[in-house]
Amino acid sequence: EAGVAQSPRYKIIEKRQSVAFWCNPISGHATLYWYQQILGQGPKLLIQFQNNGVVDDSQLPKDRFSAERLKGVDSTLKIQPAKLEDSAVYLCASSLVAAGLAGGPGLYNEQFFGPGTRLTVL
Amino acid sequence: AQSVAQPEDQVNVAEGNPLTVKCTYSVSGNPYLFWYVQYPNRGLQFLLKYITGDNLVKGSYGFEAEFNKSQTSFHLKKPSALVSDSALYFCAVRALYGGSQGNLIFGKGTKLSVKP
Repeated sequence: EAGVAQSPRYKIIEKRQSVAFWCNPISGHATLYWYQQILGQGPKLLIQFQNNGVVDDSQLPKDRFSAERLKGVDSTLKIQPAKLEDSAVYLCASSLVAAGLAGGPGLYNEQFFGPGTRLTVL
Repeated sequence: AQSVAQPEDQVNVAEGNPLTVKCTYSVSGNPYLFWYVQYPNRGLQFLLKYITGDNLVKGSYGFEAEFNKSQTSFHLKKPSALVSDSALYFCAVRALYGGSQGNLIFGKGTKLSVKP
């Protein structure tokens, strides 16, 4: 079974430039997540999609970050303009259905993670 | 507030010795708890989870974790460590309320180093 694919694997940009990341989830997975992992910290959820709709984007800095999943499969995450503090690894994950919507106690669909994109903002 | 704490930045173990990576959580109600492992330049891999049932949960690669409700802990254990177990380990809890309900809240990670 193919895993979650992400590209590019590495990106170096200067501050105030824009950048985009791409994610292709596991086939059949309805839910897609974008996480930001700053060095020395655990991943932090940025946005969650259920098919092509946004379920949770409460922690997405919407003044500079945007994400879309137009056809309910692939997704892109964009940063414009980038700041130094955006340097991090951006992880994409997918699951069959959304955690919390899986039918109640005792049911949970694990999230499967891609390799991540390491962004360095100079 | 819902949170996960991993009190150790790094754990050093000799190969063949037992290992423990600590995790405590803070969440109201019955928690869903997870362990993930991250190898260099790779994404997180699921190891095991506790949802309900037996407090001792067995997972991938010989790892297990014990849920202790009174101590609000979910420590990761392995009876005999391998050099190949060296990696970054993350504990996570499913958020039960708030804007991120249903999503995972991760600890900051513990680096496990197993020496030959």
